[in-house]
Amino acid sequence: QKEVEQNSGPLSVPEGAIASLNCTYSDRGSQSFFWYRQYSGKSPELIMFIYSNGDKEDGRFTAQLNKASQYVSLLIRDSQPSDSATYLCAVNMWDTGNQFYFGTGTSLTVIP
Amino acid sequence: DAGVTQSPTHLIKTRGQQVTLRCSPKSGHDTVSWYQQALGQGPQFIFQYYEEEERQRGNFPDRFSGHQFPNYSSELNVNALLLGDSALYLCASSLGQGASYEQYFGPGTRLTVT
Repeated sequence: QKEVEQNSGPLSVPEGAIASLNCTYSDRGSQSFFWYRQYSGKSPELIMFIYSNGDKEDGRFTAQLNKASQYVSLLIRDSQPSDSATYLCAVNMWDTGNQFYFGTGTSLTVIP
Repeated sequence: DAGVTQSPTHLIKTRGQQVTLRCSPKSGHDTVSWYQQALGQGPQFIFQYYEEEERQRGNFPDRFSGHQFPNYSSELNVNALLLGDSALYLCASSLGQGASYEQYFGPGTRLTVT
């Protein structure tokens, strides 16, 4: 079983809509959770991190964490064509020595 | 504020050769992690260096080795290259060894093995 799972997509939303990206993870004392954005041919860029259950908002982005369900999500409000990219979920797992595990990413396309 | 830098940007090697990739961490960071990202996959953890020692290692063979220098910069060495080693190699830096810390990636080195 993979440690971190994401729907590979592609996910398409119209400009101005809300994009919802989901991630599930195996429970190995998971400590912290990260969302990265990766444009084609580029390296991952950190968007948000969340440590505690609940919601965390930063501009148009909201990260949601539910440890009981082993689920973390990223909402992008007022989606823009420039948001079109692959979104990677990463989980820092304490009992594997603080290793970061990445999902395979969800490809998002925002249609003008 | 200098971000994470990596060199070279691109590299083409032949099977069986050896390669060295270099990374300088973001200003103020002291921990460097290396990842391999194959096409269409998420980054896979190779190892992490802190205080010039390898602290953690992912599921990679001994052909992958590294080093961290006193100025926190790091090298990734891969011996006896295989075609399957072709990938984007990413360096990420962070501060300290705490349980929760943010990692910032460099631009990566694209390695092609022919």
